[in-house]
Amino acid sequence: DAGVIQSPRHEVTEMGQEVTLRCKPISGHDYLFWYRQTMMRGLELLIYFNNNVPIDDSGMPEDRFSAKMPNASFSTLKIQPSEPRDSAVYFCASSPGPRWSNQPQHFGDGTRLSIL
Amino acid sequence: KNEVEQSPQNLTAQEGEFITINCSYSVGISALHWLQQHPGGGIVSLFMLSSGKKKHGRLIATINIQEKHSSLHITASHPRDSAVYICAPNNFGNEKLTFGTGTRLTIIP
Repeated sequence: DAGVIQSPRHEVTEMGQEVTLRCKPISGHDYLFWYRQTMMRGLELLIYFNNNVPIDDSGMPEDRFSAKMPNASFSTLKIQPSEPRDSAVYFCASSPGPRWSNQPQHFGDGTRLSIL
Repeated sequence: KNEVEQSPQNLTAQEGEFITINCSYSVGISALHWLQQHPGGGIVSLFMLSSGKKKHGRLIATINIQEKHSSLHITASHPRDSAVYICAPNNFGNEKLTFGTGTRLTIIP
């Protein structure tokens, strides 16, 4: 099993540019999560999907952030326009079932984003 | 909102020592995750538990739902256990996790 695959691993771009982060979940996993990790705030849930449908996006910081899951094997997190305070590590995770099935989440290696 | 507290924030110990990391939370939950984040940044789920105790090798996780408290124990600690350990309760009614600030563990040979 290849695990959760995120791309790119690192992204450095200038303020105001559009940034697109990509995630391929583990095949067969019905849940997909996007997280952000910063020194100040630690890990935070941004949004999660169940069967490609966004369930809870209350963690998305503002309208500059959007996430899509067009099919079961691909999701994107987009920031437009990007700002320096968006600099963080963004993790994608997937899970085969809901929490009551005792299924853990599997994390990707993360995308380290730096906005200059 | 679930307030999650971990202690200690930092822990340095000699190889072989028994390690305990504690996690307290403020709101009832359906389950709790323990995560391990290595210096390279990758995150691995160690345990997901909703009651009692679970054991994987040298790692043991316990949870007391009534007292809103969980502990992670490492027996015969080894330098490769050096990492940040994060507790993440699962809120009732949805799949959302709330994360503790983490415990940075360093095991000295």
